[in-house]
Amino acid sequence: QQQVKQSPQSLIVQKGGISIINCAYENTAFDYFPWYQQFPGKGPALLIAIRPDVSEKKEGRFTISFNKSAKQFSLHIMDSQPGDSATYFCAASNEGGSQGNLIFGKGTKLSVKP
Amino acid sequence: KAGVTQTPRYLIKTRGQQVTLSCSPISGHRSVSWYQQTPGQGLQFLFEYFSETQRNKGNFPGRFSGRQFSNSRSEMNVSTLELGDSALYLCASSLEAEAFFGQGTRLTVV
Repeated sequence: QQQVKQSPQSLIVQKGGISIINCAYENTAFDYFPWYQQFPGKGPALLIAIRPDVSEKKEGRFTISFNKSAKQFSLHIMDSQPGDSATYFCAASNEGGSQGNLIFGKGTKLSVKP
Repeated sequence: KAGVTQTPRYLIKTRGQQVTLSCSPISGHRSVSWYQQTPGQGLQFLFEYFSETQRNKGNFPGRFSGRQFSNSRSEMNVSTLELGDSALYLCASSLEAEAFFGQGTRLTVV
């Protein structure tokens, strides 16, 4: 069964703090790991993505850490801001097998307190 | 560049009816995927179309179907609606690995 397990379900962080969301996967054929951000009433927006050939990718305040041997990856949001309050989804796909078929985690609702 | 456009944004239907949702992908994107989002099950893959052909299908009953036209626009149809079909239906278009989502169609079945 292809699954992506995401934790925590919800997260409260103070402004300026670091938000960390973790995901674990089972299928070693996965080769593309994106993170999406979703605000209420909106569709998910692609935030940052990584492939298994690198262990870390940083874009602004957002960093993905990837551990291939442990089959885990995480999103770090540095200097968290109230505007970052949203639901975050990790996902995985086997691009070589079927493009566009993303398997999503259940989501993490992040609240950043001012 | 225009994003993914889904119409309508909101729909209310009665059990037993059928519904058709529409998706216009980003210009140049040939792959369109559909997802169902519910509070309980999260985001679940319905099917993917590429160049008018269904390339992949998720684990949904045959009441859920779709198609893609030559201009890459896609429609999904749900027949014999059930209360449990109430959800946000999201369309995503892709050029390569990156999938870009529309705002979704909120379907309520009463």
